[in-house]
Amino acid sequence: EPEVTQTPSHQVTQMGQEVILRCVPISNHLYFYWYRQILGQKVEFLVSFYNNEISEKSEIFDDQFSVERPDGSNFTLKIRSTKLEDSAMYFCASSVGGQGPSGQYFGPGTRLTVT
Amino acid sequence: EDQVTQSPEALRLQEGESSSLNCSYTVSGLRGLFWYRQDPGKGPEFLFTLYSAGEEKEKERLKATLTKKESFLHITAPKPEDSATYLCADAGNMLTFGGGTRLMVKP
Repeated sequence: EPEVTQTPSHQVTQMGQEVILRCVPISNHLYFYWYRQILGQKVEFLVSFYNNEISEKSEIFDDQFSVERPDGSNFTLKIRSTKLEDSAMYFCASSVGGQGPSGQYFGPGTRLTVT
Repeated sequence: EDQVTQSPEALRLQEGESSSLNCSYTVSGLRGLFWYRQDPGKGPEFLFTLYSAGEEKEKERLKATLTKKESFLHITAPKPEDSATYLCADAGNMLTFGGGTRLMVKP
């Protein structure tokens, strides 16, 4: 069964450093998303991406964040200068349609720890 | 502002003890209500999509229903492997998740 994959599974970085989180969405999916979940809190939407551009973004997704689809398979989230409060689980998701009946398929997540 | 609220926050059941989880939403122009299951340290796993009041979906021991203001996830005769956090989310302009219900089923 196809699945969304994410690398690395755990990233430790120092405050102020740049990090890139990587995702390989399901191959025939057209919509891509990033979410984060701070420990013990809700899953929060960050950004959606379709047709090589951002379609929606939340207030969390400020200028420190960027997304890119550098080739036909990868989808990345970059945090330019990490802060302690960026420590969270980051999930990539993909879907065939925007909010279609088959839902969004989530990857296993990258745990980001900022020290 | 779209809001999704789930109750209870946590639920302990004995194996075989049926119950229901609630998801209430205040969303203008609901475009879909999703249910997900999340196991510790993992990403949410899609369960159901509901679009209109009166709609029902079933999968094994789970049945999701939708009214104009809320959705219920009914769990019939649960087993320990049903233990997980169950999340609902509304698909407005962006997927807005509730806080989840942590379900623990004891053998």
